[in-house]
Amino acid sequence: AQSVTQPDIHITVSEGASLELRCNYSYGATPYLFWYVQSPGQGLQLLLKYFSGDTLVQGIKGFEAEFKRSQSSFNLRKPSVHWSDAAEYFCAVGGDTGNQFYFGTGTSLTVIP
Amino acid sequence: DTEVTQTPKHLVMGMTNKKSLKCEQHMGHRAMYWYKQKAKKPPELMFVYSYEKLSINESVPSRFSPECPNSSLLNLHLHALQPEDSALYLCASSQDSLAGVSYEQYFGPGTRLTVT
Repeated sequence: AQSVTQPDIHITVSEGASLELRCNYSYGATPYLFWYVQSPGQGLQLLLKYFSGDTLVQGIKGFEAEFKRSQSSFNLRKPSVHWSDAAEYFCAVGGDTGNQFYFGTGTSLTVIP
Repeated sequence: DTEVTQTPKHLVMGMTNKKSLKCEQHMGHRAMYWYKQKAKKPPELMFVYSYEKLSINESVPSRFSPECPNSSLLNLHLHALQPEDSALYLCASSQDSLAGVSYEQYFGPGTRLTVT
């Protein structure tokens, strides 16, 4: 069965520092992978997705993610964090039925000035 | 336009009330979803509609009743809810899955439901 693990419940970084959020998935076939961001009380916004092809994926707001099949990982990165990036981040993998996502438990990001 | 709209933004209801949540998208998506989200938790899938037909029901209590009147609209009818049903209810839409392909889901801003 598919599953997603986000090992870091909470991360604190300084504004301007680099960021990496970890995501590990379990899926037998080629996974469909997604990163979403959620600000307090808001819906989820898609940051980027991986379907196939280039393993380095560019997204919105300066985020990128790298798919590593050998490590079953899809880590999210940003070279320089802004205070507005403080939010909850969810990694998700698409399921066998296609219309079903499996979400990780999320990583809460705090940005300090 | 990648917008999914949800009304109302906030809803307070008693345990004997009947209310409905509404969701609308105009992206031509044929799959629509209802999720429930508790604070500091990931969204939990409740229902999936594919081409206006219910395709997934994640063993949701019958006090939640979904409806998909047409390809753009999705409703969630609420009746006799419990205080533990208080949560953020999210609607999402996507292209319908083809042969196991998972397309990105676009989420609405949610309805914050409080059951008193």
